Amino acid sequence: NAGVTQTPKFQVLKTGQSMTLQCAQDMNHNSMYWYRQDPGMGLRLIYYSASEGTTDKGEVPNGYNVSRLNKREFSLRLESAAPSQTSVYFCASIRTNTEAFFGQGTRLTVV
Amino acid sequence: AQTVTQSQPEMSVQEAETVTLSCTYDTSESDYYLFWYKQPPSRQMILVIRQEAYKQQNATENRFSVNFQKAAKSFSLKISDSQLGDAAMYFCAYKRQNYGGSQGNLIFGKGTKLSVKP
Repeated sequence: NAGVTQTPKFQVLKTGQSMTLQCAQDMNHNSMYWYRQDPGMGLRLIYYSASEGTTDKGEVPNGYNVSRLNKREFSLRLESAAPSQTSVYFCASIRTNTEAFFGQGTRLTVV
Repeated sequence: AQTVTQSQPEMSVQEAETVTLSCTYDTSESDYYLFWYKQPPSRQMILVIRQEAYKQQNATENRFSVNFQKAAKSFSLKISDSQLGDAAMYFCAYKRQNYGGSQGNLIFGKGTKLSVKP
C-alpha cells in the first residue's frame, strides 16, 4: 500500500547545480504529474505524462525536464537550478476518472 | 481554459462550530469532477471529498459536505463540528472527465488557510 513514493523529501541546492526528483507509483495508473506549490499560488502543473512514453508541458515547464521511465516511474530534472525554483514539489498519479494520489512532497531550496 | 477561484485566503472557526469555504470555477464542459483537498502542516495532500458534476446530490463524508451549484459554478465545503485537527490549507480542484487516454489535469485554486480556535 505504498501509493505514490517521492524522493527526496528535502534538498538544498546551490545555484547552477542539477538534481532529479524521483517518483514511483504502484497503483498501475496511466497518468502521472509533477506540480510545484508556492505560497499563495496553489499547485501549478509543471509536466505530465498521460501514459508510458509520452510527456507534455504544463503551466510552468521552463527550467525542468521529465522522463517517464516506465509505467511506474516519472522523474523531474532540474538541469541548472535557480533560486526561482525554490518550492515544494509534488508528484501525483490519477486513477481513471477519479481523484489524484499524491506523494509526500519535496521541499527544495536553491541558494 | 478552466480556472478555480478560492476567494477566502484565510478563515477562522471556533471549535465545534460550522464553517463554509467557498470555491467557484469556470468551465465550458458539462462533465467534470470537483474535489476538496486538505493539506495539514505535514504537507501531505489528503482528499476530503469529491463530487461528480452529473450527480445532483451533494456529496457528504462524515462532518464534511459540499454545496454544489452547477449552474452557478459554485462548490463550497461545509465543515460541521469543527475540530482542532481540521486546521489546514484547503484546496478546491477541478478535473474534466475523460473518455480514455489522458486522465487530464487537476486544476487547483490558491487555497484557504483554516484556523480552528479552541
